[in-house]
Amino acid sequence: GQQVMQIPQYQHVQEGEDFTTYCNSSTTLSNIQWYKQRPGGHPVFLIQLVKSGEVKKQKRLTFQFGEAKKNSSLHITATQTTDVGTYFCAGPDGATNKLIFGTGTLLAVQP
Amino acid sequence: NAGVTQTPKFQVLKTGQSMTLQCAQDMNHEYMSWYRQDPGMGLRLIHYSVGAGITDQGEVPNGYNVSRSTTEDFPLRLLSAAPSQTSVYFCASHRRGRYEQYFGPGTRLTVT
Repeated sequence: GQQVMQIPQYQHVQEGEDFTTYCNSSTTLSNIQWYKQRPGGHPVFLIQLVKSGEVKKQKRLTFQFGEAKKNSSLHITATQTTDVGTYFCAGPDGATNKLIFGTGTLLAVQP
Repeated sequence: NAGVTQTPKFQVLKTGQSMTLQCAQDMNHEYMSWYRQDPGMGLRLIHYSVGAGITDQGEVPNGYNVSRSTTEDFPLRLLSAAPSQTSVYFCASHRRGRYEQYFGPGTRLTVT
């Protein structure tokens, strides 16, 4: 079945450093979503990308969808302690349309 | 709007016991889903529903039952709890035609 992998699994940065997480799908995606889950919390929707090569920005966060629509990235500029959490990508299974979540990247930010 | 609500927040069961995790949403969303979250494995889909009276299996359905008698409610039943079902369970909903999912606060279940 379709698989969505994320790297790295864990990243520890000093406050002010940049951070990037990468998402790779085994199949082409019609769209990709990104979610953030704070420690002890629930996933919260951040953004959806639909077009090949699309780039969207939310303040210090930059999201990119690959040209082949099989990969995506999330880049955070100048991390802050409020960025701590696990970032998940998710894409719909091409056959069933069910949402498949990536394994997530846990970001720790040291002040 | 309360969004997506789940009860209970925490539960401890003994092996073989049964219970129902409750989920309700007040956004009139057609789609509802149940996920379990285990360390290092992300979110895995258990069951989902595209509308009242319609349910389907996800990636890890064994040991769980669901029903959808109303648009608002989507309970998840554990028939005979096993230690492998120790996990955090999230219910989510979204509108037809949109993939943005709204998650409930989760239920932390421990099976001893």
